[in-house]
Amino acid sequence: QQQVKQSPQSLIVQKGGIPIINCAYENTAFDYFPWYQQFPGKGPALLIAIRPDVSEKKEGRFTISFNKSAKQFSLHIMDSQPGDSATYFCAASKWNSNYQLIWGAGTKLIIKP
Amino acid sequence: EAQVTQNPRYLITVTGKKLTVTCSQNMNHEYMSWYRQDPGLGLRQIYYSMNVEVTDKGDVPEGYKVSRKEKRNFPLILESPSPNQTSLYFCASSLFGGLMNNEQFFGPGTRLTVL
Repeated sequence: QQQVKQSPQSLIVQKGGIPIINCAYENTAFDYFPWYQQFPGKGPALLIAIRPDVSEKKEGRFTISFNKSAKQFSLHIMDSQPGDSATYFCAASKWNSNYQLIWGAGTKLIIKP
Repeated sequence: EAQVTQNPRYLITVTGKKLTVTCSQNMNHEYMSWYRQDPGLGLRQIYYSMNVEVTDKGDVPEGYKVSRKEKRNFPLILESPSPNQTSLYFCASSLFGGLMNNEQFFGPGTRLTVL
């Protein structure tokens, strides 16, 4: 009930391509779904987050798609750049919790020039 | 510069030798937290603190202790480290504990190896 399953584990995409990272959750009480970006040697940083009242949210080149009935959400990166190469984590939580995030396992993304 | 700092960044130690990893933030944040990051497991919360002298267990607290005597500092203590505590540790802080309009900032990480 508490797991967040993230796939793929790693992903290599050519510059300009659209990498897609998927996450699935089990607990229907979750209502906050953030994505974090982590560069080597750094801590994670919040990238974008969505709540279930919308099915899609865009911030710059980053888009979250959310499918409540399937209990899935995904991150799309438009016009990907080598500087987007990082590890991406999805997470889930109850909105009224105290940062009690349940994290996915992470996806190592490499954008080839 | 607003930041979360951790020391040391790298540490190799032996089983049973007590160690402390320090964490400090200069943003006057109330909420602080410790995580461990392991391959294939993502981040898991060890302990968190809602404010000075208020701490609580996260998902994986066994083998760890914390204290919050000052608002800015939140040290992680391993009284008797074991090899299964070899991991990458992150400290994080946020203005308060809730999620609404409240970003969590992470430190740079401490890579701990217990032999």
